[in-house]
Amino acid sequence: QVRLVESGPGLVRPSETLSLTCIMSGGSISPYYWTWIRQPPGKGLEWIGSIYFSGTTDYNPSLKSRVVISVDTSKNQFSLTLNSVTAADTALYYCARHGEPAARYNWFDPWGQGTLVTVSS
Amino acid sequence: EIVLTQSPGSLPLSPGERATLSCRASQTITRNYLAWYQQRPGQAPRLLIFDASSRATGVSDRFSGSGSGRDFTLTISRPEPGDSAVYYCQQYGTSPYTFGQGTKLEI
Repeated sequence: QVRLVESGPGLVRPSETLSLTCIMSGGSISPYYWTWIRQPPGKGLEWIGSIYFSGTTDYNPSLKSRVVISVDTSKNQFSLTLNSVTAADTALYYCARHGEPAARYNWFDPWGQGTLVTVSS
Repeated sequence: EIVLTQSPGSLPLSPGERATLSCRASQTITRNYLAWYQQRPGQAPRLLIFDASSRATGVSDRFSGSGSGRDFTLTISRPEPGDSAVYYCQQYGTSPYTFGQGTKLEI
C-alpha cells in the first residue's frame, strides 16, 4: 500500500523559500503523476501543481511564478519549492498521487498526512 | 479556471436522515471528471467518489455520487456520527484542478 510522508521546516521567514519533500513508500514512483495541495488553517483546498515521474510539470497559474516541483525517482520522492513566501502561504501542505498510472487528468489518492508550514518572522 | 460552488455550507442532520450535498461548476466539467473527498477533523482528505459516480475502494455503499455536466450530488444514506466531516468536490477535467469550498456535515 502506497504511503506518503511530507517533511520540511515548520517555520519559514517572510520573503524566503519554502522547501518540502514527499517520500513515497510501498509502491513505484512510475508511471504516476504526483501532486502538492495546500490548505490554509480553517480554509479550503488549493491545488499547487503536479509532476510526472519523467519530470513534466503542471502548475496552478496563481502560483506558477513562485513554484518549482521536482522528482527524484532514485529516492522515490518529489519536492516542492515555493519562493518569496508571505503570511498568505501559511498552510497545511499535502502531497498526493494521481489515482491512475500515467493519468494527468485524475483524482488524488492516496494523500499524505500533511505538514504545517507557518510563515512568520 | 473552473469555480465549484458547494451547497449548503453546513448541514446539521440526525442519524439516519439522508444527506444531499450539491456541487455546481461554473462551466461543464470535461468527461464528468469530478471527485468527492471527506475530511474529518485533523485528518487528510480521503477519496470517496471519482468520475462523478464511481465509489473508491473501501468506501461504504451508503455514499453515492451522481450528476453530469455542471451539476453534481453526493448522497449519504443513513448517515452515522462518524460521517461528521467536511466534504469537498474537486474537478480534474481541466487544469488548474479546483476544489469547492466544502460542506460541513454534522450528525
